[in-house]
Amino acid sequence: DADVTQTPRNRITKTGKRIMLECSQTKGHDRMYWYRQDPGLGLQLIYYSFDVKDINKGEISDGYSVSRQAQAKFSLSLESAIPNQTALYFCATSDGSGGITDTQYFGPGTRLTVL
Amino acid sequence: GQQVMQIPQYQHVQEGEDFTTYCNSSTTLSNIQWYKQRPGGHPVFLIQLVKSGEVKKQKRLTFQFGEAKKNSSLHITATQTTDVGTYFCAGYNAGNMLTFGGGTRLMVKP
Repeated sequence: DADVTQTPRNRITKTGKRIMLECSQTKGHDRMYWYRQDPGLGLQLIYYSFDVKDINKGEISDGYSVSRQAQAKFSLSLESAIPNQTALYFCATSDGSGGITDTQYFGPGTRLTVL
Repeated sequence: GQQVMQIPQYQHVQEGEDFTTYCNSSTTLSNIQWYKQRPGGHPVFLIQLVKSGEVKKQKRLTFQFGEAKKNSSLHITATQTTDVGTYFCAGYNAGNMLTFGGGTRLMVKP
């Protein structure tokens, strides 16, 4: 969905480097999410934020941190990248008005390779 | 925590054959959502089921939500090459967090 953008789209880095993945949205949604996708596996939730002052850990937050700079921006950081963090990372948004019927809108993804 | 399992993980079909993917949750779900991810793409929302026993159709796709709200299925009739991709189910639990299944990758031979 062009309303959710991610930068960079591809990144190759070395073990121990600090990496930041950025997500921006023009949908006006309050809720933002970071997911990780590994081959053959589903989408695992890393962190989520329901508004600018709200940050929550997901299933696999170890080794990651996030920053919600504004309603439209949600960044994911790997403080010291390791090879098993090689994966496809997706940012997603939802408007929160539906509660448990919220649907999520995904960005195009960032393919990260850690050597 | 809640687990959502999908089977099969992969499915090869000949164009024109039917396809079904099954989704099972370890806990009762508030609702179930289905997403499709084309090769090289990102997940895109297809549909949501909320009521026990609900059945919804989108052209050749039929979605069902189990009576106990712990399982769901997606059936595609007469597959086409445009159906290629990975289909994910996802469910909200009592904690109001969306948990995704592992996905079923569908490959269609023309």
